[in-house]
Amino acid sequence: AQKITQTQPGMFVQEKEAVTLDCTYDTSDQSYGLFWYKQPSSGEMIFLIYQGSYDEQNATEGRYSLNFQKARKSANLVISASQLGDSAMYFCAMREGNNAGNMLTFGGGTRLMVKP
Amino acid sequence: DGGITQSPKYLFRKEGQNVTLSCEQNLNHDAMYWYRQDPGQGLRLIYYSQIVNDFQKGDIAEGYSVSREKKESFPLTVTSAQKNPTAFYLCASSMGPLSPYTEAFFGQGTRLTVV
Repeated sequence: AQKITQTQPGMFVQEKEAVTLDCTYDTSDQSYGLFWYKQPSSGEMIFLIYQGSYDEQNATEGRYSLNFQKARKSANLVISASQLGDSAMYFCAMREGNNAGNMLTFGGGTRLMVKP
Repeated sequence: DGGITQSPKYLFRKEGQNVTLSCEQNLNHDAMYWYRQDPGQGLRLIYYSQIVNDFQKGDIAEGYSVSREKKESFPLTVTSAQKNPTAFYLCASSMGPLSPYTEAFFGQGTRLTVV
């Protein structure tokens, strides 16, 4: 079974509007972390935002916020005031508490395209 | 500046050859990882290492090998046994199991093409 599911292969958003990228996850651990990364066409992975399973408040970092709904096992990324430079692939990832290797498991990604 | 350096950026391999991808970090991180990314896909874990002289297979280790002789370095060898090696390879590091909820930092990637 997929541990991280991103159901939107591609999305368009108008410049200056907000957009939500969906992410659902599957884990039986009580302790885990959720991460969002941006991958521009150049290929590097840029860390955006992190949410811990015990965090009571939704994480925010500048124009990025994470809509964390623990009961629904969803961790959607919200980008406010989209900019042309936001056009990229976006990946949701999870690290589980009992993960002996401490590795991240990634979803399939969402390609965001910002229209001028 | 601290970071992760992967080299080369582009690599071409002939059928039947082994090639080695370099990954060096100066972040003093204990854990290092190799991921493979195919076009339009997510990242899949090849190998990981949490400490020097120790490493473990990930989900798609067949046809690959690694070493971890130094904390800073985690080279990946793509062997001739890997039947479809053309892909984008990303190296990452993180603080390790004592800090499980810190982010992983990634290198710029190596694009490997079989010719």
